[in-house]
Amino acid sequence: TQLLEQSPQFLSIQEGENLTVYCNSSSVFSSLQWYRQEPGEGPVLLVTVVTGGEVKKLKRLTFQFGDARKDSSLHITAAQPGDTGLYLCAGDLRAGANNLFFGTGTRLTVIP
Amino acid sequence: DVKVTQSSRYLVKRTGEKVFLECVQDMDHENMFWYRQDPGLGLRLIYFSYDVKMKEKGDIPEGYSVSREKKERFSLILESASTNQTSMYLCASSLLGGGLYEQYFGPGTRLTVT
Repeated sequence: TQLLEQSPQFLSIQEGENLTVYCNSSSVFSSLQWYRQEPGEGPVLLVTVVTGGEVKKLKRLTFQFGDARKDSSLHITAAQPGDTGLYLCAGDLRAGANNLFFGTGTRLTVIP
Repeated sequence: DVKVTQSSRYLVKRTGEKVFLECVQDMDHENMFWYRQDPGLGLRLIYFSYDVKMKEKGDIPEGYSVSREKKERFSLILESASTNQTSMYLCASSLLGGGLYEQYFGPGTRLTVT
């Protein structure tokens, strides 16, 4: 059983649609990160959230950390083909801990 | 431009062979990590190291060992490769301090054990 479960596992949508990806756990995290991985590459950091209830925006991407710091969501507005990739959430259970726990991943395909 | 490099993009080995995966980072990071990535399971941590000659087990260390003799280099060793170790292996590095700092990843090594 993974510490962080993401849903959906796969998502295929048309360009211009909106979508939300969820990252859930029964554990409390000190902070949570979102990464995007494109084919043939390693994951690249999109955002870090550290405060319960925090909302961060990165152009058309909106990230929210749950009030209880057990979950997070990623909302994409007007998806574009360039958003295609594997989205991974990752959290640390203790402030200052060197290792992260990664989620199960959501593979997004945006069809032109 | 920061960089994490891995010795091979693709590797095919036979069951029972000893396999070395090498990772080098040029960012003077203290932390280095080895993950394996399998569909539907995300990234699972095998081992990490926070200093030269120091190592910590991750979630799935069985069948693997690591070596860190220099700060910039972290090696993953499969002592006797098995077919269930066929996977994508990702190396990463970061500053000390965990979740507040970005992990920088290499492009991955796709290992096939036959």
